[in-house]
Amino acid sequence: AQSVTQLGSHVSVSEGALVLLRCNYSSSVPPYLFWYVQYPNQGLQLLLKYTSAATLVKGINGFEAEFKKSETSFHLTKPSAHMSDAAEYFCAVSRSGANSKLTFGKGITLSVRP
Amino acid sequence: NAGVMQNPRHLVRRRGQEARLRCSPMKGHSHVYWYRQLPEEGLKFMVYLQKENIIDESGMPKERFSAEFPKEGPSILRIQQVVRGDSAAYFCASSPPGVHSYNEQFFGPGTRLTVL
Repeated sequence: AQSVTQLGSHVSVSEGALVLLRCNYSSSVPPYLFWYVQYPNQGLQLLLKYTSAATLVKGINGFEAEFKKSETSFHLTKPSAHMSDAAEYFCAVSRSGANSKLTFGKGITLSVRP
Repeated sequence: NAGVMQNPRHLVRRRGQEARLRCSPMKGHSHVYWYRQLPEEGLKFMVYLQKENIIDESGMPKERFSAEFPKEGPSILRIQQVVRGDSAAYFCASSPPGVHSYNEQFFGPGTRLTVL
């Protein structure tokens, strides 16, 4: 079985500050890991994904995440927050193979203060 | 290339009625996934379909819910005799065939179901 833990439901940062959103996973097989962003009343957009290649993954909008197997973590970071980053962020895990259903964390709402 | 289409975007039903949610995957995509997002919760997997086949329905409630993905036309998620607890956002995602897809799923905008 697979699971994802996103501690806390809300993170608030100042514009220009570092963004750090935490994600820990549990998986009995090597996982594929994803970060998705959801803006109000919209669907999910893929930010980045880890698929067993490089452990440091760069995504869209200046986000990146590092896969750390020893810590079972896949934290999302961005050096400098922008107002447009305010949204809900979901970490998800799947496994390779024919059935790639995603198991999501509960999500973290990011607020950016001017 | 149009993205994943879902309709309707908003659906209001009274208790006991039926809800039919439609999903048209991206062109060339043959895998469809349905997820449900309840208030204050993340998305929960419901069902995974390929054309004319249900591959994994382990997340579907045992009663009242069904899904199909016919050879022609969109995928349909059907909820019979809706109850207030069915109020949620329902998202469809699609992915291309083949192992090189790296499991990336493309999400539609969702259907927000409200049961009165």
